[in-house]
Amino acid sequence: AQSVTQPDIHITVSEGASLELRCNYSYGATPYLFWYVQSPGQGLQLLLKYFSGDTLVQGIKGFEAEFKRSQSSFNLRKPSVHWSDAAEYFCAVDGSSNTGKLIFGQGTTLQVKP
Amino acid sequence: DAGVTQSPTHLIKTRGQQVTLRCSPKSGHDTVSWYQQALGQGPQFIFQYYEEEERQRGNFPDRFSGHQFPNYSSELNVNALLLGDSALYLCASSRRDSQETQYFGPGTRLLVL
Repeated sequence: AQSVTQPDIHITVSEGASLELRCNYSYGATPYLFWYVQSPGQGLQLLLKYFSGDTLVQGIKGFEAEFKRSQSSFNLRKPSVHWSDAAEYFCAVDGSSNTGKLIFGQGTTLQVKP
Repeated sequence: DAGVTQSPTHLIKTRGQQVTLRCSPKSGHDTVSWYQQALGQGPQFIFQYYEEEERQRGNFPDRFSGHQFPNYSSELNVNALLLGDSALYLCASSRRDSQETQYFGPGTRLLVL
């Protein structure tokens, strides 16, 4: 069965510092991978996705993620965090096709210190 | 172009009651998926509708049912509400057989007392 693990429940970084949010997945083949962001009281916004090809994926708001098959990981990075990046971040997997049945991790809450 | 819309935004019910939540997909989308997000958790897939039929289902009891209308809008019904059904219910829409990803609505916050 597919599963997603986000090891860090809560992360605090200073504004301007770099950020890396971890995501590990369990799936037999190469999955479709996603990162979503959720601000308080809001729905989910897609940051980026990986289906195939280049393992370094660029997304919106200056985020990028790297797919590493050997580590079953899809970590999200940003070189310089802004106070507006404070939110909940979710990694998700959709098997090996874009079926729309997403399996989400528990999420990582990002707090940004001024 | 309106994105995914959901109604109502908030709802309070008591145990044992029934509730209906509504979702209108993004223009051009024909597939609707529903998710339950409990407080402090990631969303969990409930089911997906396409061509007015349930196509995929997650690990939810039969108390959770749905419907899709010819205009692609959808309803989520939950019978015999339990306290544990309190959550944010998210609707997502997409276009079948497309590499385009799902768009999520803002959700309906359900509180069961």
